[in-house]
Amino acid sequence: KNQVEQSPQSLIILEGKNCTLQCNYTVSPFSNLRWYKQDTGRGPVSLTIMTFSENTKSNGRYTATLDADTKQSSLHITASQLSDSASYICVVSAVFDYKLSFGAGTTVTVRA
Amino acid sequence: GAVVSQHPSWVICKSGTSVKIECRSLDFQATTMFWYRQFPKQSLMLMATSNEGSKATYEQGVEKDKFLINHASLTLSTLTVTSAHPEDSSFYICSARWRGRAGNTGELFFGEGSRLTVL
Repeated sequence: KNQVEQSPQSLIILEGKNCTLQCNYTVSPFSNLRWYKQDTGRGPVSLTIMTFSENTKSNGRYTATLDADTKQSSLHITASQLSDSASYICVVSAVFDYKLSFGAGTTVTVRA
Repeated sequence: GAVVSQHPSWVICKSGTSVKIECRSLDFQATTMFWYRQFPKQSLMLMATSNEGSKATYEQGVEKDKFLINHASLTLSTLTVTSAHPEDSSFYICSARWRGRAGNTGELFFGEGSRLTVL
């Protein structure tokens, strides 16, 4: 069973609007959580990485939050742009484990 | 910033031939590199983990004799798809972990991916 669940699977928003993506995980013991943006046909690009002690981290218009108690993370996109259209992937690492657990991703489509 | 380069970015080959994909970390040493494959609209699936100077560790269900991985140096890993068949057509992506940090909180950089089409 996948240890990282993302929702929604896909969403469509209008340019300029905000949206929030969710990531729930069961990976334990938790080490860190990363959000990546993957454009179609390209490799993933890192947006944020958060460890246990971090609750929020921003990267421009992207803001990630982490609640290690409830094992939930969110990625908020502010004032969306057409270039934000991509798949957003949540990746979680366990302590002392080199493997990463990938979410299935959320496909975001921004329309003018 | 750190860059991971993959080559070729796309390749078309005939069934039965072998294809080699290179993954290079351009400005950092990577003790560990990962190889993934990704089918359309699906998440990345880890195929194998490659450590410099040692044999790769393959995920369950991945044929090690079909997907040969060599990690000859701290900046280069190669994936060779041997006797490729149409079902091997996929998007192959590598990632490299920056050696500069201890543990697994080191930054992970992905290559741009290589699109393989087997006719």
